[in-house]
Amino acid sequence: ETGVTQTPRHLVMGMTNKKSLKCEQHLGHNAMYWYKQSAKKPLELMFVYNFKEQTENNSVPSRFSPECPNSSHLFLHLHTLQPEDSALYLCASSQAADSTGELFFGEGSRLTVL
Amino acid sequence: AQSVSQHNHHVILSEAASLELGCNYSYGGTVNLFWYVQYPGQHLQLLLKYFSGDPLVKGIKGFEAEFIKSKFSFNLRKPSVQWSDTAEYFCAVNQGAAGNKLTFGGGTRVLVKP
Repeated sequence: ETGVTQTPRHLVMGMTNKKSLKCEQHLGHNAMYWYKQSAKKPLELMFVYNFKEQTENNSVPSRFSPECPNSSHLFLHLHTLQPEDSALYLCASSQAADSTGELFFGEGSRLTVL
Repeated sequence: AQSVSQHNHHVILSEAASLELGCNYSYGGTVNLFWYVQYPGQHLQLLLKYFSGDPLVKGIKGFEAEFIKSKFSFNLRKPSVQWSDTAEYFCAVNQGAAGNKLTFGGGTRVLVKP
């Protein structure tokens, strides 16, 4: 049990579909993150939200649209993705984005784009 | 931009052997250093971290890491591995003022044979 829950665990979608990934943390944290883990590449930070405000967009294409309605929930809306977007998407949370504390990760949502 | 290099992509060793995984980073200023571990089918979790003070850091499950500032390195060690140490290990760095925006290395898959 990680305290950070991601759904769905697996998702297959076509390039014209619209889908969303969901992340929920039960740790009382104020910061949430999306990371992308592709085969044979390091984890890439995508977005950071601190107290519901987006504080980092790491040059992510607009076909990925994050949403953070409150400090416990984070979404990643997906639209017109490309096959190269297939990857494991990891959500993480921490006390605050400006601290130097530990990140707590979810188990990830494995996305396959056909 | 800072980068993190992990020298070995795959390591295979027998139980009771010693383990050392290399990690080098490129940023020259103040850094915070982390090792995360991902056991098969599980989420990423923190193994140990270094912020300041004693450069030899002890973590969970008998792991330790040594920060050598002059070499920009933060190598992970364990004197005697167990089969349960089979996992993927990730080194991560953030700049002192950058909060929790971690830059990860590419990971090292460790297989411990019983």
